Amino acid sequence: SYVLTQPPSVSVAPEQTARITCGGNNIGRKSVHWYQQKPGQAPVLVIYYDSDRPSGIPERFSGSNSGNTATLTISRVEAGDEADYYCQLLDRSSDHWVFGGGTKLTVL
Amino acid sequence: EVQLVESGGGLVQPGGSLRVSCAASGFTFSSYWMHWVRQAPGKGLVWVSRINSDGSSTNYADSVKGRFTISRDNAKNTLYLQMNSLRAEDTAVYYCVREPPNSNEYFDYWGQGTLVTVSS
Repeated sequence: SYVLTQPPSVSVAPEQTARITCGGNNIGRKSVHWYQQKPGQAPVLVIYYDSDRPSGIPERFSGSNSGNTATLTISRVEAGDEADYYCQLLDRSSDHWVFGGGTKLTVL
Repeated sequence: EVQLVESGGGLVQPGGSLRVSCAASGFTFSSYWMHWVRQAPGKGLVWVSRINSDGSSTNYADSVKGRFTISRDNAKNTLYLQMNSLRAEDTAVYYCVREPPNSNEYFDYWGQGTLVTVSS
């Protein structure tokens, strides 16, 4: 089955840019979606189809996808962005929905 | 406002059974494909199962296939997950999740989850 690989943690200072990667074999040929999960809360969709933002998600959140890596970029990071972030895609070969292991974003 | 409210979680012994439910409101439930996603304590998200809008088609993760059954009652706007032969590794928060219209690739709304604990 398809495997998505994320770094366990990323740290960034306030007002800086955070980049969270999601690796997979030829992932650039697939559509990747991203979720934010704060402690004790359900996940929230922040990016879909690689780079689209749902209504209500700040423009500071953006996404890209090429080659073997998809990236979630958070500009001008705020303390409130501290959370776990998960990438996800549909593996059409198995009709299974796959998540990455998650990345904990720490705002220093 | 879209709402997904899970219920039915609790403590069950290994080998036992449990059914969790998800009450949906704020949208036309019968038009949407639905999923269950779980999260073991301190761990990541794992997709469990999916059902199409009229309940005629289902998919399961390999780890639960043959033990879990997803179903729905569109008249009651409710999604179910029947879990049999439960194992310690099934301990998790179970989230009810909606697919958006016109896409089967991602999830646009999540419930708050219900905790299932499998332990003797």
